[in-house]
Amino acid sequence: EAQVTQNPRYLITVTGKKLTVTCSQNMNHEYMSWYRQDPGLGLRQIYYSMNVEVTDKGDVPEGYKVSRKEKRNFPLILESPSPNQTSLYFCASSDDVSSYEQYFGPGTRLTVT
Amino acid sequence: SQKIEQNSEALNIQEGKTATLTCNYTNYSPAYLQWYRQDPGRGPVFLLLIRENEKEKRKERLKVTFDTTLKQSLFHITASQPADSATYLCALNSGGYQKVTFGTGTKLQVIP
Repeated sequence: EAQVTQNPRYLITVTGKKLTVTCSQNMNHEYMSWYRQDPGLGLRQIYYSMNVEVTDKGDVPEGYKVSRKEKRNFPLILESPSPNQTSLYFCASSDDVSSYEQYFGPGTRLTVT
Repeated sequence: SQKIEQNSEALNIQEGKTATLTCNYTNYSPAYLQWYRQDPGRGPVFLLLIRENEKEKRKERLKVTFDTTLKQSLFHITASQPADSATYLCALNSGGYQKVTFGTGTKLQVIP
């Protein structure tokens, strides 16, 4: 089954404790993105990747890091989480330039206390 | 400044009627615009894409129009059903093809 998976689905952590949210897709998609969704602000793109080792900033990259060492995986790293990073996070992937349809993962609800 | 605006208030319509949702944007020149559906607690699901050189796109009961002069897209659901109740998001590419900006969405409620 074609899908995007994220882990963990729920995470409660404390300020400053480094964490990684994993994202994996099994569709051989070149493009992957991370978004955060907050009430009243909608979905905002954090980072995106056009291929292995190629990443670029979205609209809200501050406080986040990403890496793309393999085509299928695109982890999101919070080196020193802060309470304002409490949010619902989505990973998405899409195929080549002929179609920009994004497939979204189930989401990761992160709470930073 | 750049902005994408969707009806901020919920839209309630009777079953069987046509729902029309709007997406207006300012200071973008998108190559394409997309519409997604999102159910509570779930990731968005792609519905339709329309390119800058297309005026209209249809898929079953869905129709999207794109007016780059007005900087507006309209999303129509004909013969609406309660199962169409969800939040609908518009999105456009805001830089390269993969830099994407979403609107805040419109919550649609179809009343039986």
